[in-house]
Amino acid sequence: GQQLNQSPQSMFIQEGEDVSMNCTSSSIFNTWLWYKQEPGEGPVLLIALYKAGELTSNGRLTAQFGITRKDSFLNISASIPSDVGIYFCAGPGTASKLTFGTGTRLQVTL
Amino acid sequence: GAGVSQSPSNKVTEKGKDVELRCDPISGHTALYWYRQSLGQGLEFLIYFQGNSAPDKSGLPSDRFSAERTGGSVSTLTIQRTQQEDSAVYLCASSFNPGQGFRGYTFGSGTRLTVV
Repeated sequence: GQQLNQSPQSMFIQEGEDVSMNCTSSSIFNTWLWYKQEPGEGPVLLIALYKAGELTSNGRLTAQFGITRKDSFLNISASIPSDVGIYFCAGPGTASKLTFGTGTRLQVTL
Repeated sequence: GAGVSQSPSNKVTEKGKDVELRCDPISGHTALYWYRQSLGQGLEFLIYFQGNSAPDKSGLPSDRFSAERTGGSVSTLTIQRTQQEDSAVYLCASSFNPGQGFRGYTFGSGTRLTVV
């Protein structure tokens, strides 16, 4: 089946630093989604990408749909403490079920 | 409602007992999904309901797990004869018809199940 691998698995950064994470797939996706999950909550959609090469921003977050359609990237600029959480990439698998990546756990220190 | 509502938020049960987890999707969302998230892990697909179609049960890990969706709205996930490995956060999500311009899911806050 489809697999989504995210890297890095975890990141410990200082407030104000920029963050980059990526997601690769074993197969082509037509849609890429990025979610953030905070402790005790369900994942929340951050950015949706629908076209190869597309670059979309949401505040300090920027995501890109890779031109091969097998990867996607998420960048966070000038990180703040509330950016802490687990970031998941996702793509629609068979029958519109989302396949989720393994997650990148982000910790921000003051 | 305004969001996806799950209840209970926490459930502690004894090994061997049955549990029922409830999900109220966003009004008008035709698709409903259940996922399981074990400690420190990603999201594992369990089951998918779309309108009046037969549910996609391909992710259910054993026949102890079942789910139903009544009236195209509320869904209940039932785990019979719970085992310790069933301990996890069970997440429900809903969306508009994925075939009509998929825009991703909206998740509930989950039910944290602990089997002791």
